[in-house]
Amino acid sequence: GQSLEQPSEVTAVEGAIVQINCTYQTSGFYGLSWYQQHDGGAPTFLSYNALDGLEETGRFSSFLSRSDSYGYLLLQELQMKDSASYFCAFLGGKLIFGQGTELSVKP
Amino acid sequence: GAVVSQHPSWVICKSGTSVKIECRSLDFQATTMFWYRQFPKQSLMLMATSNEGSKATYEQGVEKDKFLINHASLTLSTLTVTSAHPEDSSFYICSARDPGRGQGAFFGQGTRLTVV
Repeated sequence: GQSLEQPSEVTAVEGAIVQINCTYQTSGFYGLSWYQQHDGGAPTFLSYNALDGLEETGRFSSFLSRSDSYGYLLLQELQMKDSASYFCAFLGGKLIFGQGTELSVKP
Repeated sequence: GAVVSQHPSWVICKSGTSVKIECRSLDFQATTMFWYRQFPKQSLMLMATSNEGSKATYEQGVEKDKFLINHASLTLSTLTVTSAHPEDSSFYICSARDPGRGQGAFFGQGTRLTVV
């Protein structure tokens, strides 16, 4: 079957660094994506890893290890506006989402 | 770039009626579009994968006769909820892959459907 696992919630303070992990199981795999979703809104694309290693986009970085079926999203210099749900998703023939991690950033 | 537009943003309809939701890729050609359903505080549940010019592939448990998907062109896919009932009330979201970017998919704004 196909599945992704990520923590259900994470809490951190403003200015801190937080890492959201994602492990996956699938038979066909093209890459791992990360999305941010604020309450009531649609998901926003953050990053995509097709190859092993780290991809950096501003305050956000994403890492993938295909041999370990594992990836993570790293958020640096946390801001209050980063409070949202974060989803990992893998792209095979279709785009399948994990259950999401609710990030709460406290002052 | 990679803009996906979904319409309408919200709709209220009476039980038993049908509702059509449109999803357009504005600046790229999308050979594949995905339709999702999301309940409050839950993840996005993939309903079907829509490929241009062919029949949609539905996920297990999704009624293809109730959720009609048409992907008639490279920039437009539609989802029609037929004979809607209150339990169909949900947030419906489409996304489209941009093959030129090779990066995952981009989402429309979503449609909040309320069936009364």
